[in-house]
Amino acid sequence: GNSVTQMEGPVTLSEEAFLTINCTYTATGYPSLFWYVQYPGEGLQLLLKATKADDKGSNKGFEATYRKETTSFHLEKGSVQVSDSAVYFCALEHRDDKIIFGKGTRLHILP
Amino acid sequence: DAGITQSPRHKVTETGTPVTLRCHQTENHRYMYWYRQDPGHGLRLIHYSYGVKDTDKGEVSDGYSVSRSKTEDFLLTLESATSSQTSVYFCAITDYPSYNEQFFGPGTRLTVL
Repeated sequence: GNSVTQMEGPVTLSEEAFLTINCTYTATGYPSLFWYVQYPGEGLQLLLKATKADDKGSNKGFEATYRKETTSFHLEKGSVQVSDSAVYFCALEHRDDKIIFGKGTRLHILP
Repeated sequence: DAGITQSPRHKVTETGTPVTLRCHQTENHRYMYWYRQDPGHGLRLIHYSYGVKDTDKGEVSDGYSVSRSKTEDFLLTLESATSSQTSVYFCAITDYPSYNEQFFGPGTRLTVL
């Protein structure tokens, strides 16, 4: 069945460092892929998405490219800020009405 | 921000007692979801609804029931709470055309002693 695997955290970086959070998926067909972010004490919110192979989703300086050949959707940011500290969830569309989430990666950014 | 509220935001209860969590939305979205979030497990779907009186089970539905008598309200009930149901519970909504973009409520932290 469909599933998502993302790197375990926590990930700790210094401000202005380059960020990569790895995500791979298993799916039948070509589902849409997402990154959601959860700031402390809040619910999840959509960060970016890609709906087909080679699409690049981007938002708030974050990017992820839908790689069919490697079944990956890695999240990247060139220069992280303290305010990026949060939990990041990779996810994929399952049928038309459900989403399967990865286990989440906690990111700590040190000033 | 999508208009989603959850109540209560925090609750402490004892094993064996019934508990009902409420999700209320003002967006008129058809699809509503209940998830639980636990360390090491991420988010897991408990139940979902695709309209009034239309509900279905998710991957971790045992011990939970739901009801949706109005578009705006989706209730999650723990008939007899157990310590394994201690968790943070999130409600989410979505609708056409972006079925796969879910909007989440602020969460309810439930502790079962």
